[in-house]
Amino acid sequence: GAVVSQHPSRVICKSGTSVKIECRSLDFQATTMFWYRQFPKQSLMLMATSNEGSKATYEQGVEKDKFLINHASLTLSTLTVTSAHPEDSSFYICSARRFRGEETQYFGPGTRLLVL
Amino acid sequence: AQSVTQPDIHITVSEGASLELRCNYSYGATPYLFWYVQSPGQGLQLLLKYFSGDTLVQGIKGFEAEFKRSQSSFNLRKPSVHWSDAAEYFCAVGDPLYNFNKFYFGSGTKLNVKP
Repeated sequence: GAVVSQHPSRVICKSGTSVKIECRSLDFQATTMFWYRQFPKQSLMLMATSNEGSKATYEQGVEKDKFLINHASLTLSTLTVTSAHPEDSSFYICSARRFRGEETQYFGPGTRLLVL
Repeated sequence: AQSVTQPDIHITVSEGASLELRCNYSYGATPYLFWYVQSPGQGLQLLLKYFSGDTLVQGIKGFEAEFKRSQSSFNLRKPSVHWSDAAEYFCAVGDPLYNFNKFYFGSGTKLNVKP
């Protein structure tokens, strides 16, 4: 149980285009979903926290207009990288929590974004 | 500020040998501690977690970790490593003050297993 999927697994796009990444909880309803970014040889950095039906909470230094997060249902959150540039190339990982107050986060397999 | 340190970037062990991966944390209250494993191109899989109680916790795949408050450590161990254990391992602290919305990850330790 507690399986999280992401789509696509990898994407290559041209600079200036927008890319949407989906995160789905497959066997549970996620009250909260999280988006992380992982640079090569570095750890995960939390970008934002989203609750279903409300605006996402962004971490300091993360541009909310650049990284649009939509959490339209209890099983789906999307991250859209708008007007992507090469410096946005990274590994994006989402995670989900089953219920409020649960300590554990369940992680998706990640999406590799390469912006040319 | 909360932080997690994994002092070893790379570790190589022979198959069948024992393993210990180090994790030190800085946190003002009782920490909620996790170990995750990441295989190449994959997401993070939860190995084990510690919230309270017995300081030696057992996880999946034969892993265990011991919480030592006096040393602010939560080291991961396995008595006999298998080739399939080659992966990157992350230690994390969950912050209950933010309803566990904030996880602080270490920089990871990459484990190589020699045949």
